[in-house]
Amino acid sequence: NAGVMQNPRHLVRRRGQEARLRCSPMKGHSHVYWYRQLPEEGLKFMVYLQKENIIDESGMPKERFSAEFPKEGPSILRIQQVVRGDSAAYFCASSPTSENYGYTFGSGTRLTVV
Amino acid sequence: AQSVTQLDSHVSVSEGTPVLLRCNYSSSYSPSLFWYVQHPNKGLQLLLKYTSAATLVKGINGFEAEFKKSETSFHLTKPSAHMSDAAEYFCVVSAPGESGGSNYKLTFGKGTLLTVNP
Repeated sequence: NAGVMQNPRHLVRRRGQEARLRCSPMKGHSHVYWYRQLPEEGLKFMVYLQKENIIDESGMPKERFSAEFPKEGPSILRIQQVVRGDSAAYFCASSPTSENYGYTFGSGTRLTVV
Repeated sequence: AQSVTQLDSHVSVSEGTPVLLRCNYSSSYSPSLFWYVQHPNKGLQLLLKYTSAATLVKGINGFEAEFKKSETSFHLTKPSAHMSDAAEYFCVVSAPGESGGSNYKLTFGKGTLLTVNP
């Protein structure tokens, strides 16, 4: 049973470009969570999605960031018009229910904006 | 609201000596508490979790943590450090999020970097 798969592992974008980060949850998991890790900080919650629904996006920046989890396919975190401050590691986790018994995280996508 | 304070940003031990990584938390609710480990350029691995059962929790790789409500602490320990334990460790608390009910939203500490000297 494969774990949470994130790709790409590393992503380099120029300022103003779009970044798309993908997260495939574990088999049977329909709840996905995105977290961002800025340099020398702990992870910060961004958004919680179920299939075709955004449950809680209280941690998402108001502009340029969006997330989706379609009926088919991976969850996507999209960052439009990236800026240097978006450089960070982005992690996703998945679970079979919303109850937290210890989430499984993916290996992350490290975004570098140049 | 909840918060986590990891009291040491960096801990250095010698191989074979005990490890103590300190964590204090604050939560308006009965918390669930976790320790995660992150090896360089790798993902996060769950070491152990406390979810209101036994206060002494045993995890993987010989780590354990004790939940002390009176001290609002959840310190991570290991009797004997191994070189492979060198990594960053995060103490995490969870509590109900914006939609209420379940405790899905994690609040991370800033991390403690553990180095193990030969």
